[in-house]
Amino acid sequence: AQKVTQAQTEISVVEKEDVTLDCVYETRDTTYYLFWYKQPPSGELVFLIRRNSFDEQNEISGRYSWNFQKSTSSFNFTITASQVVDSAVYFCALSEAGSGGYQKVTFGIGTKLQVIP
Amino acid sequence: GAGVSQSPSNKVTEKGKDVELRCDPISGHTALYWYRQSLGQGLEFLIYFQGNSAPDKSGLPSDRFSAERTGGSVSTLTIQRTQQEDSAVYLCASSFSRVGWTNEKLFFGSGTQLSVL
Repeated sequence: AQKVTQAQTEISVVEKEDVTLDCVYETRDTTYYLFWYKQPPSGELVFLIRRNSFDEQNEISGRYSWNFQKSTSSFNFTITASQVVDSAVYFCALSEAGSGGYQKVTFGIGTKLQVIP
Repeated sequence: GAGVSQSPSNKVTEKGKDVELRCDPISGHTALYWYRQSLGQGLEFLIYFQGNSAPDKSGLPSDRFSAERTGGSVSTLTIQRTQQEDSAVYLCASSFSRVGWTNEKLFFGSGTQLSVL
């Protein structure tokens, strides 16, 4: 069975603060992929990042950074110097092979981030 | 269009009526997913298509739910005898994923907001 846990359902921060969104996953597979998606108020989910299970290097993209720790089964997402435009629901997702080898993607419950001006 | 298109964007129906939700994926995408998003429930997997076949229907909540895909393109999700608990946003996603691929990012439509009165 696979499971993705995002323990924070809602977070509010004041603009320019740093914020970390937590994601913990469970899987028995050794090969899998982790994703983060952003769902702005407009509703359409947008891909942010993908990381495979063999690559534990942290990644930084502008104000966004991701920390993947296989030992704790976590894939946390940090926004530095948050902005109002970062207000959205953020989903962590786990992708692995389903029965028959297809791509099965399981999403967490999402974390709603509100950045207050 | 360039993205995943879903119609209608909003649907209000009376309890007991049947509804059809349509998804037009990105051209060339072989994989198609349906998810349901309810308040506080995150994204709930419903069904996956590879081409016109549905190797995983495990997420369909009951036999009132069915889906088909024709020509490896458009998919229709049908809910018969709708109930109030069916009210949710129904999201469609597509990707290039094929059997054995688990790293593809999903492209989402804007969803259909279904309200059952």
